[in-house]
Parts: sequence; structure tokens; C-alpha cells
Amino acid sequence: AQSVTQPDIHITVSEGASLELRCNYSYGATPYLFWYVQSPGQGLQLLLKYFSGDTLVQGIKGFEAEFKRSQSSFNLRKPSVHWSDAAEYFCAVAPSGNTGKLIFGQGTTLQVKP
Amino acid sequence: GAGVSQSPSNKVTEKGKDVELRCDPISGHTALYWYRQRLGQGLEFLIYFQGNSAPDKSGLPSDRFSAERTGESVSTLTIQRTQQEDSAVYLCASSFGVTGRGNQPQHFGDGTRLSIL
Repeated sequence: AQSVTQPDIHITVSEGASLELRCNYSYGATPYLFWYVQSPGQGLQLLLKYFSGDTLVQGIKGFEAEFKRSQSSFNLRKPSVHWSDAAEYFCAVAPSGNTGKLIFGQGTTLQVKP
Repeated sequence: GAGVSQSPSNKVTEKGKDVELRCDPISGHTALYWYRQRLGQGLEFLIYFQGNSAPDKSGLPSDRFSAERTGESVSTLTIQRTQQEDSAVYLCASSFGVTGRGNQPQHFGDGTRLSIL
């Protein structure tokens, strides 16, 4: 079955430190890949997406993600975290083809220490 | 409108009552999706619409759940005879075309927080 795994439930980093959030997926073909961020009481905001082409994609708020086919991974990175980045982050997969379904990971909660 | 709009933002109801949740997608978006987010969990897909038809209803948990979309715009998710396990945030999203057919990311509303007493 198709699935998305975010191994880290909670991550705490110091402000200004680098960040990497992990995402692995299980799917036979290359899916479409997304990272979303959710602040408390809010909906999800799209950070970045991968459909094809360059495996390193840039997103909003200084985030980037790298698609690695051999590892079935799509990890999210940011070189220097700001306090306002504290939120919950979701990785999602859309199987290519005739479907609109997004399959989400369980989410990673990011806490930023001053 | 500028974004996906959902109403009400919060709904508290008694077990056994019916509830209707509304979603207004971004203007021009032909695809509309419903998801459920239980406390501390990721999002579970419920159903999506392409235009007024629903090609994939596979995520609806039971026959108490139904959804419709009229005029390629507003959608309503209805839960009949609510149970306590229905308590969750219900999120709606829309996209210009169906995500799986092309590079069409989904844009989400702020959700409806449903609490069943």
C-alpha cells in the first residue's frame, strides 16, 4: 500500500541552526511530492512541490527539498531556522495518474529555541 | 475569493445530530477535496470532486458521510447521526485541475473544527 513516513514526530532546533525534516514514501512509480506547513488553528500552506525535472526544489520561506529516487525520500531543509518557523510540517504524496488523493505523513512538530 | 473558505470554523453538536460543513473553493478551481484530521494525526483523504462528479469516494468512513458539489463551486460534506469518533478538523482543498493528472497542487482552507459531545 502507498504510504508516507515522517520518522521524527518532534524536532527542536535553536534559532539560526540548520534544519532537516525527513520524509520517505512507499510507491511503485515516482509520485508527485509536496511539503506543507500548518500553524496552530490554521489550514495547510504549500511550501514546495516536486513534479519532475531538477531533483532539488526551492520553496517559500527559504525552504528547499531534495528528491532522491534511490532512497524514496524527499527531505525538507532550511539553512537557518527562524522562530516563526515553529509549526507542524507535513510531507504528502500524490500518486500520478487519474486520482486527486494526497497521502500524508503523520507530521513533524518543529520547536525553535531562542 | 482569494483562498479556500470553509464554514463554520467551529461546530459543536450532540451525538446523533446531523451536521453540514461547507467549502467554497478558489474561483476557477475545478477540483475540490475533503480531508479529515484527527487530533495529532496527519490528514486522511475522504473524497474529491472533478467538476460536479466524485471519481473517488474511497476515503468516506461510513455511509453516514456524504458530500455533494453543485455548480462546480460550493461543496457540502454531511455527517448523519454523528458519533464521538467523528470529532476532528475537516479540511477542504481545491486545485485548478486534478493533482494526479498534472502539476496542480492543492490549496487548503483553515478547516472546520467539529466537536461531538
